[in-house]
Amino acid sequence: GAGVSQTPSNKVTEKGKYVELRCDPISGHTALYWYRQSLGQGPEFLIYFQGTGAADDSGLPNDRFFAVRPEGSVSTLKIQRTERGDSAVYLCASSLNREETQYFGPGTRLLVL
Amino acid sequence: AQSVSQHNHHVILSEAASLELGCNYSYGGTVNLFWYVQYPGQHLQLLLKYFSGDPLVKGIKGFEAEFIKSKFSFNLRKPSVQWSDTAEYFCAATNFGNEKLTFGTGTRLTIIP
Repeated sequence: GAGVSQTPSNKVTEKGKYVELRCDPISGHTALYWYRQSLGQGPEFLIYFQGTGAADDSGLPNDRFFAVRPEGSVSTLKIQRTERGDSAVYLCASSLNREETQYFGPGTRLLVL
Repeated sequence: AQSVSQHNHHVILSEAASLELGCNYSYGGTVNLFWYVQYPGQHLQLLLKYFSGDPLVKGIKGFEAEFIKSKFSFNLRKPSVQWSDTAEYFCAATNFGNEKLTFGTGTRLTIIP
């Protein structure tokens, strides 16, 4: 079956610009997670949705980062006024419900010049 | 603070050698433990997981891991590695009721044919 998909696969932007990263979870999965992976590091948690609501956004680094999941399926991670330090691979994962195995997408590689 | 440590950053083995990758965690309460693998050019995939019960868990592709509570460890093992096991391996943990995964920094495994 179809796995988690993420678009775009690569995004190059300039410092100060706004970007949106999209995640399509596995159909029927109610829980959705965003992680960020910097070079040489493991993924770091950003935010978790249960349905439409953000159940835990404690990993968002600052108020330039925001994520939505308006219909409880697709999610968009939004980054305002991008900085070079935001360059990383942004990973999305979904699970059937909370405490179930998380399945990861291929990630979006963001490069801020 | 919750953390996961992987002390082996890069491991190089010959085919048919035995493998053990270390993972230690620092968590209070009930902990769930995972090993994920990322093959070159692919996304993170679950190798195995421990939630409760038998501390020796078996995963895909001949991998197994042992949960040793007294040592706060969850080491990954395989008796005989293959060239196709070349990948990056991540240990991760969650608390019961806290869904966000905390990852280690990863271990890059290179198998020499």
